[in-house]
Formats: sequence, C-alpha cells, structure tokens
Amino acid sequence: DAKTTQPNSMESNEEEPVHLPCNHSTISGTDYIHWYRQLPSQGPEYVIHGLTSNVNNRMASLAIAEDRKSSTLILHRATLRDAAVYYCILRVAGGTSYGKLTFGQGTILTVHP
Amino acid sequence: DAMVIQNPRYQVTQFGKPVTLSCSQTLNHNVMYWYQQKSSQAPKLLFHYYDKDFNNEADTPDNFQSRRPNTSFCFLDIRSPGLGDAAMYLCATSRDFFKDTQYFGPGTRLTVL
Repeated sequence: DAKTTQPNSMESNEEEPVHLPCNHSTISGTDYIHWYRQLPSQGPEYVIHGLTSNVNNRMASLAIAEDRKSSTLILHRATLRDAAVYYCILRVAGGTSYGKLTFGQGTILTVHP
Repeated sequence: DAMVIQNPRYQVTQFGKPVTLSCSQTLNHNVMYWYQQKSSQAPKLLFHYYDKDFNNEADTPDNFQSRRPNTSFCFLDIRSPGLGDAAMYLCATSRDFFKDTQYFGPGTRLTVL
C-alpha cells in the first residue's frame, strides 16, 4: 500500500503561515492526496485534496511537487483553532485499499499565541 | 446542524457485556464507515457499508459486527467487549466510495470496566 511520511510534530505562532510537509514516494499516477485534520476530542474533518495541480480552498492550500512524491499543506495564517493532528492520506485507485482512508500517525500542530 | 450524529458520546460497559453504538446521518449518503481510534493512535477502519453491501476489513475481529437497517442509521455491535476494545469509535459517511469527502461524527468513547 502507498504510504505517507510526516513529521511527528510542528509548532507555529498565531497569524503566521504554516507549511506541513508530506512525503509519498510510492504514489501511483491515479492516487489522490487527501488531508484531514482532527481537533482535540473531535472526529477528523476534511481539509483539502488534489491529484496533480496545486489546490486552494477557504481552509488551506495544497502544493504538490511536480513528481508527486511529496506535497505541502499550507495554512496561510494559523489560528489557535488550527491546533490539531493533520493527516496526509493517499486514496489509492486500486487493490485492496481502493478508495479507503488509511490514516498514518499524522503531524501534531501546536499554535502559540 | 450536525450531519453525522453519534449516540451516546460516552459509553461505559463491563467486560464481556454486549454493547451497541449508534450512528445516524442527515446527508443521505450511500456509504457509512466505522473506525476505531485507540488512545494516541490514528483512526483504523473496521468496516463500511455501501448502501446495504457490507464490507469487512480483513483484520477486524469477529467480536465486532455492524447493522444498517436503512440509509440513515448504522450500528456497531461489540459482542463481548474486552479491555483492549476501549477506544473512540468514529462513524463517517460519504456520498460515494472512491474520492468523495468523508464526514465524521464526534465519536463515542467506550470504556470497558
């Protein structure tokens, strides 16, 4: 199964940009890159996803490397509410893991006031 | 308004005493999922329903069962809970399976005494 590698933890200051990296060197051409986050004591929530091109939405931006072996989730101005575990997930297009969200350990983001 | 509702939020049961967790959705989604999340770990998929079609993960213990009587409701039954089954149980839904966003409920925290 395609896997992702993320730093265990990162820290940021409030109102500063945050760049959360993810490596996925075994990604296949049709695998989508998804990001979810889990705030304390809540279920995960969708953040953003992409295939090849960079993507923007109201929550974040997703920058995907040209070779697709890595991606970066960008929070443009971190707030205290962004403190969460961020999961980078590959949704694979085939095999036994087809379509599933297989969560890795994620990155714990701490935001300082 | 809550779209994926889980009841109860906290459940205490005794070792070996059957317990049922419930999930309901107002999104009219085809797919419903159950995840298990143990302390400080990532969510792990137990099984999912695509409409009435049940799909069990290969490593989900037989102790865990599920029912989906209609589109809106899905139940997780733990036939004989052990201490190792203490966890947060997360329900999620999606319109379709492959790349659609999954919407998670707040989870039910199960304690086994």
